[in-house]
Amino acid sequence: SQKIEQNSEALNIQEGKTATLTCNYTNYSPAYLQWYRQDPGRGPVFLLLIRENEKEKRKERLKVTFDTTLKQSLFHITASQPADSATYLCALGFGNEKLTFGTGTRLTIIP
Amino acid sequence: GAVVSQHPSWVICKSGTSVKIECRSLDFQATTMFWYRQFPKQSLMLMATSNEGSKATYEQGVEKDKFLINHASLTLSTLTVTSAHPEDSSFYICSADRANYEQYFGPGTRLTVT
Repeated sequence: SQKIEQNSEALNIQEGKTATLTCNYTNYSPAYLQWYRQDPGRGPVFLLLIRENEKEKRKERLKVTFDTTLKQSLFHITASQPADSATYLCALGFGNEKLTFGTGTRLTIIP
Repeated sequence: GAVVSQHPSWVICKSGTSVKIECRSLDFQATTMFWYRQFPKQSLMLMATSNEGSKATYEQGVEKDKFLINHASLTLSTLTVTSAHPEDSSFYICSADRANYEQYFGPGTRLTVT
């Protein structure tokens, strides 16, 4: 069965630094990969989608890379701020609209 | 744009009763909606795919007679937890597929069964 691992359960980063989160998967490569932000007691918020034929996607301070050889996606937040503190989820899609979510990384930006 | 609402945001019910949760896409039409449940400190687990005008598709291990899904229109899907028990207590979240596989999630419904 498909396994998705996000690098660590919790990550602490100093304000202003770049936070890098990792999403690794096994078995089949997805048609696309998505990153979401989830705050406690709230539903996930869509951030970025990257397709299998794309290497990199950017949106403001966010950058996502997708390496199908390594079976890995990296999610970067540059110039991190305390407001970026949340749980970040990666999700794999295989072209049928269904998503399979990773367990998430709880990111804390320390002022 | 791409706002999804859920109602209620939280509900407490007694064991054996049924609870209905509504999911609405407010500013777009969604032929497909999804229902997830999430336990504390765990990831989202897909329960079922809700298709407008047809029967829902349930994931393996999800009882379709217990979790009734109705997708009555392009902007509304409902999840009814029938004969709820304490083990059904969880955070239920819906999402709607707008386009290009981007899913937009509702704020979630916290269900507590006493």
